[in-house]
Amino acid sequence: GENVEQHPSTLSVQEGDSAVIKCTYSDSASNYFPWYKQELGKRPQLIIDIRSNVGEKKDQRIAVTLNKTAKHFSLHITETQPEDSAVYFCAASPGGANSKLTFGKGITLSVRP
Amino acid sequence: KAGVTQTPRYLIKTRGQQVTLSCSPISGHRSVSWYQQTPGQGLQFLFEYFSETQRNKGNFPGRFSGRQFSNSRSEMNVSTLELGDSALYLCASSLDLGPGFFGPGTRLTVL
Repeated sequence: GENVEQHPSTLSVQEGDSAVIKCTYSDSASNYFPWYKQELGKRPQLIIDIRSNVGEKKDQRIAVTLNKTAKHFSLHITETQPEDSAVYFCAASPGGANSKLTFGKGITLSVRP
Repeated sequence: KAGVTQTPRYLIKTRGQQVTLSCSPISGHRSVSWYQQTPGQGLQFLFEYFSETQRNKGNFPGRFSGRQFSNSRSEMNVSTLELGDSALYLCASSLDLGPGFFGPGTRLTVL
């Protein structure tokens, strides 16, 4: 089955700096890669997603890049703010975006004011 | 549109009991997936229903089951509860092939 790994497990950055979170996946059949943000005690919220036919997608301060050959994808957050502090999960799915998502273990991002 | 809702929000059960959790998807969404979230194992996929049919299933024992109704509302049932079933159970709804939107979850504690 699919295996998704996230690195690092924790990340601390200064407010205003950029943060990059990397994920690798194992199943070449995976073609949908969402990123979720989960604040303490709250539900995971989709922040950005990318499909395998696209190499990069950007939404304001957030971007995701995908390298299908190397089987890794990354979340880039620019101009970080304290409210970006949360746990970020990457996931991969073989098709049918809501179907059978395999999640990484999550990364705790702390943005220092 | 109203978001995904889950009931109940909290449950306390004892070992051996069974439990039923409910999920109401966003209006128009026909896909509902269920996930178990624990500190040790993270988010793990249980199963997905689409148009009342189970379309995908994760690697959980048969004690975990689900169903979906014609209005797309979904229920999951856990029988013969074990201590290790204590977790946050999340459902996510989507249009077919669309991103998933999570509900607030049901926190299940098994004593």
